[in-house]
Order: sequence, then structure tokens, then C-alpha cells
Amino acid sequence: QVQLQESGPGLVKPSETLSLTCTVSGGSISSYYWSWIRQPPGKGLEWIGYIYYSGSTNYNPSLKSRVTISVDTSKNQFSLKLSSVTAADTAVYYCARRETDGDHYWYFDLWGRGTLVTVSS
Amino acid sequence: DIQMTQSPSSLSASVGDRVTITCRASQSISSYLNWYQQKPGKAPKLLIYAASSLQSGVPSRFSGSGSGTDFTLTISSLQPEDFATYYCQQSYSTPCSFGQGTKLEIK
Repeated sequence: QVQLQESGPGLVKPSETLSLTCTVSGGSISSYYWSWIRQPPGKGLEWIGYIYYSGSTNYNPSLKSRVTISVDTSKNQFSLKLSSVTAADTAVYYCARRETDGDHYWYFDLWGRGTLVTVSS
Repeated sequence: DIQMTQSPSSLSASVGDRVTITCRASQSISSYLNWYQQKPGKAPKLLIYAASSLQSGVPSRFSGSGSGTDFTLTISSLQPEDFATYYCQQSYSTPCSFGQGTKLEIK
């Protein structure tokens, strides 16, 4: 079955760029939208953005100026870059697949296990 | 942006109880509402999509209802594995948004 796995540094210094990769295994990255979602410790979920396998993107306006999501279909991976990080960006970062019901409803049906990224000097 | 508000924020219940969690949207979202369950240290798990459609593999004791701005998630008979935090999420417009969560605890 399809599985997602996040990877990247667990510690990033303030003002630097957070970089994470999500590897899709057991299936193709094609024909789906792929998202990044984060969860600060003890808090709720925040959608960061998504990318279609073709490369089109959509970002949360609250983070848009600092976010870049890219895709590498040859490696079945997509990636997140978040620049100028502060302590407020400390969170568990999840990658997730956006599925549809074949009509017009969509939902996050597959999630990675998540990776904690701490912003600290 | 659409704001999602869940109530209550926390809830204590016993095994076998019927439990209802409410989610309210700041504007009409038709049936573009999903529910997730999250256990400590785990990723969220999809339970219900399109307000009332049960995701494959999810027990039938979970059900969802509502449309417009008001939605409910009902667990008909709580099982020990159901104690978790539940989130609603709207997929009507971008940015999609989640409720703040409802923590379901054992009484």
C-alpha cells in the first residue's frame, strides 16, 4: 500500500530555512495533490500548502511569502522549504495525500508519521 | 478565510456512551466537511468525508451529519480505542482549515 515518509533535519536555527522531503512509496506520485500540514506541540493542525504532481502549487496566505513546495516525479518525492524560521515554526510537520471522492469532495486520506522540527539556536 | 469552531474543547465519557462533537463553520461550506481522529504521537486518521461518508475501514459506530454551517460527529457506543482528539476540516475553500480539536477522555 501507499506510504508517506518525511525526512529532514530535526533542528533548524532561527532565520534559516527549514527543508523537508516526503517520499511516496508503494504507489505513484502522479495524478494526486500532495500537501504539507504542521502541528505545533500541544496545538491544532495548520495547512501549509499543496502541490499537484504537474508542479502547480497553492499556499496558505499566512505563510505564502516564506513557503516553497516542489515535486520530483522521478524520485516520487515532494519537498517543503520554509524560510526565515522562528521559534513559532517549531512543529511536527506532516505530508499528506489529497484524495477525492470522484466528484468534487476532497480530503486527506494518507498521512506520513510526521517529523518534529525544532527552531532553536 | 473560513474559521472552524468545535465544541466542546474537551469531553469526558465512559465506554459504551453515545458521544456527539459539534463543528461550526464561519460561513456556509455545503457538505465540504471532513472529520479526523488523532491519537498521541500519531498522524491524524480520516474518519468521515463529505460530512457523512464513512471512510473505508472505519467502524460503523462513527457517523457524521450536517450541512451549511453546522456539523456533528457521533460515536454511537464508545470503545476504549476511541479516546483521542478529533478534528473537523473544511475543504470548501482555500486555505482549508481545521477546528481546534476536541479531546475525548475517559471518565
